[in-house]
Amino acid sequence: AQTVTQSQPEMSVQEAETVTLSCTYDTSESNYYLFWYKQPPSRQMILVIRQEAYKQQNATENRFSVNFQKAAKSFSLKISDSQLGDTAMYFCAFMKLLGVPNFGNEKLTFGTGTRLTIIP
Amino acid sequence: DTAVSQTPKYLVTQMGNDKSIKCEQNLGHDTMYWYKQDSKKFLKIMFSYNNKELIINETVPNRFSPKSPDKAHLNLHINSLELGDSAVYFCASSQGGGSSYEQYFGPGTRLTVT
Repeated sequence: AQTVTQSQPEMSVQEAETVTLSCTYDTSESNYYLFWYKQPPSRQMILVIRQEAYKQQNATENRFSVNFQKAAKSFSLKISDSQLGDTAMYFCAFMKLLGVPNFGNEKLTFGTGTRLTIIP
Repeated sequence: DTAVSQTPKYLVTQMGNDKSIKCEQNLGHDTMYWYKQDSKKFLKIMFSYNNKELIINETVPNRFSPKSPDKAHLNLHINSLELGDSAVYFCASSQGGGSSYEQYFGPGTRLTVT
């Protein structure tokens, strides 16, 4: 079974600064996806960024980027120029992929989350 | 347009009651999921359906019974509610096997059992 560990339960940073959230995972699989989801106080789960394990290039979405270290099984999220709207719980998630599409079996395994507060 | 919707958003009920949560997606996806988020914010898969067929059935008490009348709808019925069932329940959908594997989440239903 896969496990996802987020070792920082809470973090806070001044507005406009850069912050990095850590995530490590344990798996024997070679074919998988990794995700960061954001959950603001509204409770809505919002996809921030995704990374395919077979891609060496780190994914980037505007101010959000990841540092994917496959050998180390590490998947950290960097938020640049942080904004007040970035205040939220952030969840790292793992998805095992089967060799043949097996619709419905692509479940997300989540970490315990990091509560990020952006200070004005 | 709401992509994944859930009703109700809040549900307060007493122990022993039976309740249902409904989920609908208008994204044309084939796969739908139920996740449970406990009081410590931990999210865990409960069930998944693909085109009305049950695919994932995690270790969930038999009191929980999902039903998918069609691929756009996935309901969750809970019998004999217990205090420990208090949580936020999220419905999600995905195209399943698609290029992005992104799961789109509903707004969640906060269930409080008193």
